[in-house]
Amino acid sequence: NAGVTQTPKFRILKIGQSMTLQCTQDMNHNYMYWYRQDPGMGLKLIYYSVGAGITDKGEVPNGYNVSRSTTEDFPLRLELAAPSQTSVYFCASSYSGSTNEKLFFGSGTQLSVL
Amino acid sequence: AQSVAQPEDQVNVAEGNPLTVKCTYSVSGNPYLFWYVQYPNRGLQFLLKYITGDNLVKGSYGFEAEFNKSQTSFHLKKPSALVSDSALYFCAVRPAPASKLTFGTGTRLQVTL
Repeated sequence: NAGVTQTPKFRILKIGQSMTLQCTQDMNHNYMYWYRQDPGMGLKLIYYSVGAGITDKGEVPNGYNVSRSTTEDFPLRLELAAPSQTSVYFCASSYSGSTNEKLFFGSGTQLSVL
Repeated sequence: AQSVAQPEDQVNVAEGNPLTVKCTYSVSGNPYLFWYVQYPNRGLQFLLKYITGDNLVKGSYGFEAEFNKSQTSFHLKKPSALVSDSALYFCAVRPAPASKLTFGTGTRLQVTL
């Protein structure tokens, strides 16, 4: 199994450009998440989804959009890139939202907005 | 609201020595606690978790963590460090069902020969 796959691994955007970060998982997990990781700040939850067609905001959703048309895919969209969105983005998944369940993470996308 | 504190940005240990990476938490109710590890250019990987029961939890790669309710701590430990343990370690807490995982800021572990 590939697990959680993210593309691209690196990207440089100009201010105002848009892009989509792709995330797909092959574990038939219901729950999927997008986090951003800033130095010294830990991981912050951007959006999450509990199943196809259902998404909800996390701690830092502003400037991002998501969709979940299939169980496997959970793309993250940046419409008008800003320097504050320079970060490392991680997609994660879990079978359920159970309290004791671990998350599986992708290898990340390093995004720079200049 | 729940929170997690990792008071050390970096921990330096010589190979073969024991290591401790500290974590304290603040939640209402019983916490569910996790440790994740991040190797360079990789995503986070699950190490271990505490749900209930024995306060000493054993995990992957020889790591263990001790839950201390009175001190609200969940320190990660390993009896003998390896150079390959060098990585970024994250503590996380989930206080209740349907709540989201809250991560600490991470501690970089550097193990040297």
